[in-house]
Amino acid sequence: AQSVAQPEDQVNVAEGNPLTVKCTYSVSGNPYLFWYVQYPNRGLQFLLKYITGDNLVKGSYGFEAEFNKSQTSFHLKKPSALVSDSALYFCAVRDRTGANNLFFGTGTRLTVIP
Amino acid sequence: DAGITQSPRHKVTETGTPVTLRCHQTENHRYMYWYRQDPGHGLRLIHYSYGVKDTDKGEVSDGYSVSRSKTEDFLLTLESATSSQTSVYFCAIPSPTGANVLTFGAGSRLTVL
Repeated sequence: AQSVAQPEDQVNVAEGNPLTVKCTYSVSGNPYLFWYVQYPNRGLQFLLKYITGDNLVKGSYGFEAEFNKSQTSFHLKKPSALVSDSALYFCAVRDRTGANNLFFGTGTRLTVIP
Repeated sequence: DAGITQSPRHKVTETGTPVTLRCHQTENHRYMYWYRQDPGHGLRLIHYSYGVKDTDKGEVSDGYSVSRSKTEDFLLTLESATSSQTSVYFCAIPSPTGANVLTFGAGSRLTVL
């Protein structure tokens, strides 16, 4: 069975500093991995995905994530945080069926301090 | 979000009453999904549909039923609501702009007293 772990409920970072939001996964076979972001009172928005190919994936709003197979990780990163990046971030893994079901982590709340 | 709408957006009900949430899409997609979001649990799949009258259970389907009588609508029903079903419910469809990506609705906040 597939699963995703986000070990940090809360991450605080100063504006302008680099940010990292951690994610580890467990899945049999090759993973399909995703990051979504949720702003207050909104639905989830897609940020980026890893399906195959280059381990460094670039996505929306300057975010990127690095797929590390040996560490089974897919950490989200951004070189310079903005106050507007403050939101709830979810890592997800897709199941192996054709149904495209996503299994989500518990979420990490990112707060960027001015 | 474009192409997917949920109704109602907010509902307060009492324990034991039936509740139906509606998801409507204009993308003509086969697949539709219902998730619930709870603190400490993230999003969990309740049910999904892969076509008209074709549905299957997700990881937290107990206490919920669904129906899909036409492509554009996917209904989630709580036959007898309980306080443990207080949650925010999200509908999703595959994104028209990216393979393997889901587009989520704005959510329906349900409170069961």
